[in-house]
Amino acid sequence: QLQLQESGPGLVKPSETLSLTCTVSGGSISSGSYYWGWIRQPPGKGLEWIGNIHYSGTTYYNPYLQSRPTISVDTSKNQFSLKMSSASAADTAVYYCASGPGGYFFDYWGQGALVTVSS
Amino acid sequence: QSALTQPASVSGSPGQSITISCTGTSSDVGNYNLVSWYQQHPGKAPKLMIYEGSKRPSGVSNRFSGSKSGNTASLTISGLQAEDEADYYCCSYAGRSTVVFGGGTKLTVL
Repeated sequence: QLQLQESGPGLVKPSETLSLTCTVSGGSISSGSYYWGWIRQPPGKGLEWIGNIHYSGTTYYNPYLQSRPTISVDTSKNQFSLKMSSASAADTAVYYCASGPGGYFFDYWGQGALVTVSS
Repeated sequence: QSALTQPASVSGSPGQSITISCTGTSSDVGNYNLVSWYQQHPGKAPKLMIYEGSKRPSGVSNRFSGSKSGNTASLTISGLQAEDEADYYCCSYAGRSTVVFGGGTKLTVL
């Protein structure tokens, strides 16, 4: 049974880079068929897919986020990470890491991490 | 890649059936049988209820079912129970290894 746990600063200043890490336990991030993703949810709003990564390093991003997110993987630590540049108040959200086979649905989710962008 | 369209809210009484629609385009819902549905209770992470249009993960009640017609996918919950009250989100593959979520539907059990 996979378990995912987000970690990172809960407060980020505007224009700085938002950074989060997801630690995977109960299985290997190098599982060939699984993709590892980030999804966010602004307070009181719906879910927005940010992007996915395969353990090989191949990444896929939401085209609406205009090259701001960068997702990377560290197989030695069984972790994957999200960096979002030029943070603004609009990036304030609960950020979830999630995983699923093929990357088009997610059957395992972290508990979520609230990130607030404010000076 | 616009969000899929869902009704803001639906409601039903215990024991009844309800259906939540999820309308996309020929570039996402209509072109692939890769719609998934998620249930989210307040303050909790989403839970996968349906994947690949109509498949249920192990442990999900068979009261939940999924279907698709054209550019619209649907989630039906039969025998409504109080614990079904939650927000529901659809999600579709949208090509080029991207996915798109719906805006979410709040289900109220009267």
